[in-house]
Amino acid sequence: LAKTTQPISMDSYEGQEVNITCSHNNIATNDYITWYQQFPSQGPRFIIQGYKTKVTNEVASLFIPADRKSSTLSLPRVSLSDTAVYYCLVALSYNTDKLIFGTGTRLQVFP
Amino acid sequence: GAVVSQHPSWVICKSGTSVKIECRSLDFQATTMFWYRQFPKQSLMLMATSNEGSKATYEQGVEKDKFLINHASLTLSTLTVTSAHPEDSSFYICSVPDRGRETQYFGPGTRLLVL
Repeated sequence: LAKTTQPISMDSYEGQEVNITCSHNNIATNDYITWYQQFPSQGPRFIIQGYKTKVTNEVASLFIPADRKSSTLSLPRVSLSDTAVYYCLVALSYNTDKLIFGTGTRLQVFP
Repeated sequence: GAVVSQHPSWVICKSGTSVKIECRSLDFQATTMFWYRQFPKQSLMLMATSNEGSKATYEQGVEKDKFLINHASLTLSTLTVTSAHPEDSSFYICSVPDRGRETQYFGPGTRLLVL
């Protein structure tokens, strides 16, 4: 399973756009990129998943360059409730495979 | 509503006792479930893969005799921490893949404190 590298922590203010970049240099051809959000004392929650280019849902956008060696999770206009740890994962199949979590990025949103 | 439940949500026990944690799929059947452990301020660490009707597959470094896993039915997997010690205090989380909907759901977690 590909290893991922992402910043340990990030700070932001309410209303700002937050971009968290994840590096996965050894991603395999059939791997998908998935991002999860975790609040304290809760299980992770799926945010978004993609294979290439750009994916957008009601929560976030995921940008994946052509070489797929990195990806960027974009959270538009964050609020205090977006304070959480965000994990970038790479797996053959995020929906059926065991998932290997990296360090995650601890996002702190200030008022 | 919740798709995956865990019971108990938290448990305190004395050192040397065994603790059973249940992971239940509420909405669909699952032949596979995953168990993770998370220490404070750390990431989730995969412990084992629970397989319905067969033995669990443990990750390297995880003692199978210490962490007993039983996948008794298509909706229930249990993790038993045997002879628990303070260093086993952690947050235990299960996840269940829904192959029909092509997604994976995580349980709410169980916090274990061993005194």
